[in-house]
Formats: sequence, C-alpha cells, structure tokens
Amino acid sequence: GAVVSQHPSWVICKSGTSVKIECRSLDFQATTMFWYRQFPKQSLMLMATSNEGSKATYEQGVEKDKFLINHASLTLSTLTVTSAHPEDSSFYICSAKKGTGGGNQPQHFGDGTRLSIL
Amino acid sequence: SQQGEEDPQALSIQEGENATMNCSYKTSINNLQWYRQNSGRGLVHLILIRSNEREKHSGRLRVTLDTSKKSSSLLITASRAADTASYFCATVLYGNKLVFGAGTILRVKS
Repeated sequence: GAVVSQHPSWVICKSGTSVKIECRSLDFQATTMFWYRQFPKQSLMLMATSNEGSKATYEQGVEKDKFLINHASLTLSTLTVTSAHPEDSSFYICSAKKGTGGGNQPQHFGDGTRLSIL
Repeated sequence: SQQGEEDPQALSIQEGENATMNCSYKTSINNLQWYRQNSGRGLVHLILIRSNEREKHSGRLRVTLDTSKKSSSLLITASRAADTASYFCATVLYGNKLVFGAGTILRVKS
C-alpha cells in the first residue's frame, strides 16, 4: 500500500496564531510532496510542490512567507500557516508520490486538515 | 483556470443505477486520472488511463479517453450508497503537478 498520514485533522485557533500541519508517508519514501487548498464544494488548488532537501516551489499567487514548507526527510513535509487570519480558514490536503516516479504514477493523499481561524 | 472541467456538477441516482461523469481538458496529456473524495476526507486514486489507451476497467469502474475530443468519462455501474462522494478528474502538467477538474458530486440514494 501507500499510506499518507496528515496531522492534525482539524484545528481551531485564534487569529494571529501560527499553525503547523504535518504530512508523512508511512510506508514509502516520497521525494516530492504536494500541498493543496480546498474551499467548500470546490476543487483542489495546488499551493506548492515540496521537494526533499530543497526549497519548495510555490504556485503563482501563493505567499511563500505566509505558507512555510519544510521537507526535511523523505517521509515528512510540513506546512506552517504563519500568523493565520480568518481568510486562511480552509481544508488543506497533502499528497505524495512514491520515489522519483514520473507523471504516470498516482499521487497518494492524506485525509486533510480543516483549519478554522476565529 | 482549471485544466479539467467536469459535468454534471451534481448527480443524484438510485442505488443500482449507473452513474456517468464526464471530464474535458485543454492541453495535451500523458495520462488522465480519476479520484474520489468522501466528504471531509482526502482523495483516493481510482484509475489512471494513459494517452494511448481508449478504455480501462477496474471492478465496477469503466473509464474512456478520447484524445481527439480531449475528453474522458467515468462510468460506475450498479451504484451503491457507499459510492456517494465527489469525483475528480486530473491531468498531469510539467513537474508532475496534478490539475483537477471542478468535480462531480454524486449522491446514490438507497
């Protein structure tokens, strides 16, 4: 199998707090992980591509200083939402690809983190 | 804009009926993938069809791909209440990035 664990599953916190979300590949190594954001009843929007041992690649319009990504090992990537505000409330989902598999490999998704900023 | 567009946006059927969802995309692809998302959960990969394939089966799922029309369809036969979920098609862009369609919300009534 290919299991991706995402933690926490939900967070409620006050405006101005920084929140860290973890994404782990439990039974495989993932050179590349992806972070998505999803608004209610909408599709997933790619925020950034996380590469082990190097800087993340952010999509246009995503603030890299707001959404800090660290991919320090082949099984763990973290997304930190810094100084979160109510507009950052959303469902955040990570995914991982096995090894260095190309585009013909599926991505394996975590169960998502629901972030609510009061 | 999204690479893939899907229709219908929502579909409600009775258990036992077949459900068909369609996806269109804009650029050339190497493959097209279908994913399912249960409410409030992550995505589960269902099936991948390569650009040189026209049809693929997996259990009760049947996927077709027409590269000349830049479209794909997902058919779920003999639907069950447990098939209730959102279904997304996705294409792969440079850097192995997935671009998702808008999705179809399927409700199967028992």
